[in-house]
Amino acid sequence: GQQVMQIPQYQHVQEGEDFTTYCNSSTTLSNIQWYKQRPGGHPVFLIQLVKSGEVKKQKRLTFQFGEAKKNSSLHITATQTTDVGTYFCAVSGGYQKVTFGTGTKLQVIP
Amino acid sequence: DAGITQSPRHKVTETGTPVTLRCHQTENHRYMYWYRQDPGHGLRLIHYSYGVKDTDKGEVSDGYSVSRSKTEDFLLTLESATSSQTSVYFCAISETGRDGYTFGSGTRLTVV
Repeated sequence: GQQVMQIPQYQHVQEGEDFTTYCNSSTTLSNIQWYKQRPGGHPVFLIQLVKSGEVKKQKRLTFQFGEAKKNSSLHITATQTTDVGTYFCAVSGGYQKVTFGTGTKLQVIP
Repeated sequence: DAGITQSPRHKVTETGTPVTLRCHQTENHRYMYWYRQDPGHGLRLIHYSYGVKDTDKGEVSDGYSVSRSKTEDFLLTLESATSSQTSVYFCAISETGRDGYTFGSGTRLTVV
């Protein structure tokens, strides 16, 4: 199935600092999804990117799909304590199913 | 999230016993999925369904079976639970299979 590498595995930032997580694939992706999971919670769908070079924004979150559709990034500007959690990318892994990356765990220090 | 519930939320069971987890949706979505989540492994697909009585295996299906007799219910069964199946199990639904998934709140299963 489709494999994706997500980096970094962990990230600690001071509140107010920016944060970026990356999702990389060795093959071209048809699309990519991003999810957030709060500690003790369940994954929540954030966004889906489909087009080469696509950039989407949700308030302080910026999502980007690489030109070659082999990588993606999620950038958070001026982190807040509410941003704490694990961020997962997910890619199509075959017939109508997705494969999740291993996630980046974000800790925000007040 | 509204529209998807998992039961039970927590369960402790003994090695060798059968266990069934239930996922119920009210969204009338065609696609349903069972994932397990373990530290260091992220979310791994166990089985999924693309319609009533239509199911297929995921990447970690050994030791698990599923059934879907109605659109709204997707059952995951551990025929004979083992300690390696201690995990958090998430059910997810999708309208098209290509849109974002909606996850249930999860079932924390401990096999002792």
